[in-house]
Amino acid sequence: EDQVTQSPEALRLQEGESSSLNCSYTVSGLRGLFWYRQDPGKGPEFLFTLYSAGEEKEKERLKATLTKKESFLHITAPKPEDSATYLCAVRSSGSARQLTFGSGTQLTVLP
Amino acid sequence: EPEVTQTPSHQVTQMGQEVILRCVPISNHLYFYWYRQILGQKVEFLVSFYNNEISEKSEIFDDQFSVERPDGSNFTLKIRSTKLEDSAMYFCASSDTGADTEAFFGQGTRLTVV
Repeated sequence: EDQVTQSPEALRLQEGESSSLNCSYTVSGLRGLFWYRQDPGKGPEFLFTLYSAGEEKEKERLKATLTKKESFLHITAPKPEDSATYLCAVRSSGSARQLTFGSGTQLTVLP
Repeated sequence: EPEVTQTPSHQVTQMGQEVILRCVPISNHLYFYWYRQILGQKVEFLVSFYNNEISEKSEIFDDQFSVERPDGSNFTLKIRSTKLEDSAMYFCASSDTGADTEAFFGQGTRLTVV
């Protein structure tokens, strides 16, 4: 069974204070690791897809990296508008198209 | 920018009633999905749909649930006899034909069963 564990559950940062969110996964053959952002009461908003260990993707203040066991979402000099829940999801060779999600990290960036 | 749209945004229904949640996927996408998120819990997969048939479903997707693509643009989730525990946010998503491409999600329908 695919498992995704995210840490920390919640993170409070001062504006400009860089940090990283962790996503550890156990799958039977990784076919893709996905990062989403979710605002309260809204649907997940796609951020990144990573396919193989060593891969990195960047978008504005966010950078996602992938190893064989975990992924990190690095947030550089965050702003209050980066406050949201960040979700990690995996697709494995054991499923056709299904995504298995973690519980998310709730990020709050204080001005 | 293309987006997945869902209606209604909020639905309240009596226990035992049938509900239909509606979605318009991104126009050139061919894979469609339903996920749900119970308040405070993880996003959970329900079903995937391709070429007018279910391609994968989870244990949650029992005989009370069904999906349909009634025309060229809509994708629906029907719950035949709602239970209190069906109360959740239901998200529709779609993706293109690439083998492992990302899914794009709608804003969700909040279903409240009373």
